[in-house]
Amino acid sequence: EIVLTQSPGTLSLSPGERATLSCRASQSVSSSYLAWYQQKPGQAPRLLIYGASSRATGIPDRFSGSGSGTDFTLTISRLEPEDFAVYYCQQYGSSPPETFGQGTKVEIK
Amino acid sequence: QITLKESGPTLVKPTQTLTLTCTFSGFSLSTSGVGVGWIRQPPGKALEWLALIYWDDDKRYSPSLKSRLTITKDTSKNQVVLTMTNMDPVDTATYYCAHRRGRPNSFDYWGQGTLVTVSS
Repeated sequence: EIVLTQSPGTLSLSPGERATLSCRASQSVSSSYLAWYQQKPGQAPRLLIYGASSRATGIPDRFSGSGSGTDFTLTISRLEPEDFAVYYCQQYGSSPPETFGQGTKVEIK
Repeated sequence: QITLKESGPTLVKPTQTLTLTCTFSGFSLSTSGVGVGWIRQPPGKALEWLALIYWDDDKRYSPSLKSRLTITKDTSKNQVVLTMTNMDPVDTATYYCAHRRGRPNSFDYWGQGTLVTVSS
């Protein structure tokens, strides 16, 4: 089973700042089958990035994903008020099981 | 427009079997490449992948829960059913179903989730 470790656990930033979230895998994620999701309180997760770097439909270009192998990054170039949420990475290249990270909370400083 | 909605009991007793139904629209589970998965989230905790079924009846289960899970599809009703046996209070969580197109792929559409509490 591939274990995904996200860091930091909490990121305290102000609107307009840049957010950099990390997702590290315990072994290589095949073909960059890595996704990022955003989840707000009381809501289902929302797909942001798939294939490590492709934005999902309707996702603003301030969200970008990068990385390969075992190290992946989600960057939010300029935080908007609606971006404060919890973010999860998921690997879906090694199944079963597909696995999620423990999440990074981006909170308002 | 793709939508999914989970339904089932909100409260189950320990040792009982949970049956959840995902009813969807906007796609067919007989279309090549399509899959529906189940993911859960205990209150205040992270997401956990449970099971997945594809259009060709390929089924995948979390190894840690495999002995307790069964996933099936009813293409004519546009439904996917997940059963989990021997429920325990640690299984208290919001259960989501989600759609994917392609094997493998991310989950691009999610249901709203249903909270299941396990308590006597």
